[in-house]
Order: sequence, then structure tokens, then C-alpha cells
Amino acid sequence: QKEVEQNSGPLSVPEGAIASLNCTYSDRGSQSFFWYRQYSGKSPELIMFIYSNGDKEDGRFTAQLNKASQYVSLLIRDSQPSDSATYLCAVRTPHAGGTSYGKLTFGQGTILTVHP
Amino acid sequence: DAGVIQSPRHEVTEMGQEVTLRCKPISGHNSLFWYRQTMMRGLELLIYFNNNVPIDDSGMPEDRFSAKMPNASFSTLKIQPSEPRDSAVYFCASMQGRVNTGELFFGEGSRLTVL
Repeated sequence: QKEVEQNSGPLSVPEGAIASLNCTYSDRGSQSFFWYRQYSGKSPELIMFIYSNGDKEDGRFTAQLNKASQYVSLLIRDSQPSDSATYLCAVRTPHAGGTSYGKLTFGQGTILTVHP
Repeated sequence: DAGVIQSPRHEVTEMGQEVTLRCKPISGHNSLFWYRQTMMRGLELLIYFNNNVPIDDSGMPEDRFSAKMPNASFSTLKIQPSEPRDSAVYFCASMQGRVNTGELFFGEGSRLTVL
């Protein structure tokens, strides 16, 4: 089982629709969760992070976390063509030994296309 | 701030040659990560350092790969000898502060092609 799995996509939505991106993780010790966006040929950039169960909203983006189900999602409302990119779910797991160190593991990514 | 700086941006080499990728993290960041990205495997963590000390190198594929961080402002990833399956984009990223709260800042990547 992969440590972080995302819905395979690609996902295509019309402009103005809601895009829903999903992610599951295997390590229950994971403490924080991130969504990165990567445009073609560019490096990943952070969109949102979430630590606590529930929803976190930032503009058109909402991240949802359910630690019991080991599930993270990202909703993009009023999708725009400029949102077309690969969305990467990332999970941070503390280093064994209880230090504050940890590694950030990424899912395979979901390619989102928003068509006019 | 200049951001994370990687070099070279592009490298084409022949199988068996040594490849050295370089990274300068953002000043003040105390964690540095090396990732490799391919279409098939996505973004894989190779190794990460905290305060210049390697913390987890379990992602390094084999002994042909090695990474060093001699000081807070410089890191290298070396592949010797290189093989065609090493062709990928290699990203360096840095972060400040406690791991659980920090944002990862990526360099522009080094695209490696091994013929």
C-alpha cells in the first residue's frame, strides 16, 4: 500500500464548477497535511495546510480532514481555467524517535483540467 | 529573498558518468529535502537533512546515490555511476522552523537525462 494515495484522475470540470480532489494516507501517526499545486514544467507550491479534523477554508479553496478515516480532500469552488494543474497531496509524519523532525510524503498527484 | 537555487537546470550525460546536482537553500531554513519526480513514480523523497545532519535517507534508491550537506547553505546530490533509469527531475526544497508547521519551498529543479 502506498503511503499517500490520490484519486487517479485526470479530472476535468467546466469553468465555474466545484472540483473535488481526494487523498488517503496509511500512517496514523501523520500529523499535518498539505495540498500543493504544480503547473506543467514548474515546481510545486503550497496552496493550503490542515492539522485538525474538519474543514479549513481559504478563498475558493476548502481543505477537509478526517483522521479517523485517514482522508484528506480539497474542494475548489468556482473553478477557473487558471486552476488547471496537478494537485499534490502531502502528508507529514514525524521521524521515529519522537523528535520534531519528519518527512513530507507526496501522493502521485491528480491532474485537473478546467475547461471554459 | 532569492529562493532555493539549484544547478544545473538541465544535465544530459551518458550512462556511467558521474552527476552532481547542487542546491542552495533559503537563508535561515534549517531543513533541506531532495526529491525525484518522474511520470511513473511521482514525487519521491530521497533524503532530508535537519541542521545539516541527514535524518532519513531511506528513499535513496541504491549505493550509487549519495548526498551531503557540508554547511547550512549548500547541499549536493551525487549519482555515480549514472544509469538511464535515473533520468528524472530532481528537486531540492527547504523549510524553516518546526517540521509540523513549516511550508516547503522548492527550487526550480534539475532535469537529468542519462543516455
